[in-house]
Amino acid sequence: QLVQSGAEAKKPGESLKISCKGSGYSFTSYWIGWVRQMPGKGLEWMGLVYPGDSDTRYSPSFQGHVTILADKSFSSAYLHWNSLKASDTAIYYCARQGPLSGDAFDIWGQGTMVTVSS
Amino acid sequence: EIVLTQSPATLSLSPGERATLSCRASQNINSYLAWYQQKPGQAPRLLIYDESNRATGIPARFSGSGSGTDFTLTISSLEPEDFAVYYCQQRKSWPLTFGPGTKVEIK
Repeated sequence: QLVQSGAEAKKPGESLKISCKGSGYSFTSYWIGWVRQMPGKGLEWMGLVYPGDSDTRYSPSFQGHVTILADKSFSSAYLHWNSLKASDTAIYYCARQGPLSGDAFDIWGQGTMVTVSS
Repeated sequence: EIVLTQSPATLSLSPGERATLSCRASQNINSYLAWYQQKPGQAPRLLIYDESNRATGIPARFSGSGSGTDFTLTISSLEPEDFAVYYCQQRKSWPLTFGPGTKVEIK
């Protein structure tokens, strides 16, 4: 399973790192993706990290605004912002790409609600 | 970037009816398409991967078909728990992309 950190309330310009901890499988062997869902909207793929070697891929829409990290010693992936904007208000999901499921996202975290407001 | 278009945006049906959801890709994605279901307040759940393969634990009333650019998710007979939003997603190339979703609502 994937368990995400709790809801966050931040101000514009602040930094933030949210986490996603995997258990019950070999965390280092599967890509972990991050998906944004803005209020009342659809799903947007942000990027992927491979915890085994921390290789990352970003959507052009998010490159440069967020950093995706992994720490295999903690079986965790992270999504980091240096400077939040109000438009970052959203639910953020982590999800595992399962090679036995055609590399679709077969396991999802419960989501982390991030609210950015002055 | 591969753009996915889903239709209709909303589908109003009654329990027991058949639901047919469409997903169209802006270019050929072979069979690299997945479908997800999302209910209010919940994370998405994988239903179908690689166009037609049901994920673990998914009932047989869900089926996927298509290839290339046109794909269909069919729910043969709607159960009350099937009323939700459905998204398609391609993995043919980065960036991975999702469709905008189809909401299946109770008529």
